[in-house]
Amino acid sequence: DIQMTQSPSSLSASVGDRVTITCRASQGISNYLAWYQQKPGKVPKLLIYAASTLQSGVPSRFSGSGSGTDFTLTISSLQPEDVATYYCQKYNSAPLTFGPGTKVDIK
Amino acid sequence: QVQLVQSGSELKKPGASVKVSCKASGYTFTSYAMNWVRQAPGQGLEWMGWINTNTGNPTYAQGFTGRFVFSLDTSVSTAYLQISSLKAEDTAVYYCARGSDGPIAVAGHWGQGTLVTVSS
Repeated sequence: DIQMTQSPSSLSASVGDRVTITCRASQGISNYLAWYQQKPGKVPKLLIYAASTLQSGVPSRFSGSGSGTDFTLTISSLQPEDVATYYCQKYNSAPLTFGPGTKVDIK
Repeated sequence: QVQLVQSGSELKKPGASVKVSCKASGYTFTSYAMNWVRQAPGQGLEWMGWINTNTGNPTYAQGFTGRFVFSLDTSVSTAYLQISSLKAEDTAVYYCARGSDGPIAVAGHWGQGTLVTVSS
């Protein structure tokens, strides 16, 4: 099975900072990559699919890129409401494995 | 609007069974597969598998075979997760999640989660 890794596992940044999270697949998955945001105590929320397509209603400060094995999620200007854990997930074929998550908080 | 409403929290003893329900509304139930996702306390998301709501055919991820069963009652637009021979390590929040309006394999709509606690 394809394994998903994320880095860093956690980060602390200031409001307004640009934040980048990396997700890597152990084999190529084309652009079958989604990103989810889970705020503390809340249900996960879909942010991005097809590596770079923003889900409706998601703020434009979120963006995704990548293809094959290496992907990034970028928050262009971190806001207090972005404090959350972010997960990538491959969906090219089962199993639809999630990455281990990246916890983002405010410095 | 799409809604997935899950059954309430459960407290079970080791060795018992539990059945979690996920009632869907706001769309044609058989048009989207239903995923099941586990989140142990303080841990990440684990994709458990999914069930084809048209055929009833389930797919289980490694580690979720044997004691875990996905089922449906399409007459009431409800998906079920049954876990038998419960162990302490099954303590987790269990989510059902429907495909998105974009790629159907992506979990675009989630239930509120059901906490299953296994303790003697």
